[in-house]
Amino acid sequence: GAVVSQHPSRVICKSGTSVKIECRSLDFQATTMFWYRQFPKQSLMLMATSNEGSKATYEQGVEKDKFLINHASLTLSTLTVTSAHPEDSSFYICSARVSGSFNQPQHFGDGTRLSIL
Amino acid sequence: DAKTTQPNSMESNEEEPVHLPCNHSTISGTDYIHWYRQLPSQGPEYVIHGLTSNVNNRMASLAIAEDRKSSTLILHRATLRDAAVYYCILNSGGSNYKLTFGKGTLLTVNP
Repeated sequence: GAVVSQHPSRVICKSGTSVKIECRSLDFQATTMFWYRQFPKQSLMLMATSNEGSKATYEQGVEKDKFLINHASLTLSTLTVTSAHPEDSSFYICSARVSGSFNQPQHFGDGTRLSIL
Repeated sequence: DAKTTQPNSMESNEEEPVHLPCNHSTISGTDYIHWYRQLPSQGPEYVIHGLTSNVNNRMASLAIAEDRKSSTLILHRATLRDAAVYYCILNSGGSNYKLTFGKGTLLTVNP
């Protein structure tokens, strides 16, 4: 089955640090990847849609200069949280769709738990 | 995408069937019904999806009402590993296939 690998699984760092999270589709090509954020006891909230070879599309209220997304290949998208602060602490999850598929499911990574001290 | 309504929580006993309901009265003709589940501290996992006909796979069955305004996810024999939050999501394939997650149903499985 389609596998999405997310790295790292957990990050603890000081306030002001920039953190990069990688999302890889291991056995399929993904033209589109998605980045979500989930706070404790809440549901997933879509942050942005990452499109290979073009700029990401951000959801309303998500700062594009704060959350930098790069999707340079059909198997890799990265999310960089720039100058992270304690309020950015959250569970970040990526997902990917198989390129060219119609209404097929998204495949999710295992998430990255980010803790900013 | 149209909204779905699910119970906040449900409880089941191990090895018994579980029926998780989902109401989607404003579903459009092109909306597929997707089910995902999320185990604690993990990303969501795809369970099943369908359009009009009932669907079966190795994980579950999806029963879709004739008017498509509701559906039921059926776990035939619940195990402790099935304890998770189950999300029912409608998706028409538009807007780059974005998924909008609601609060889902927290399923507790008792041994």
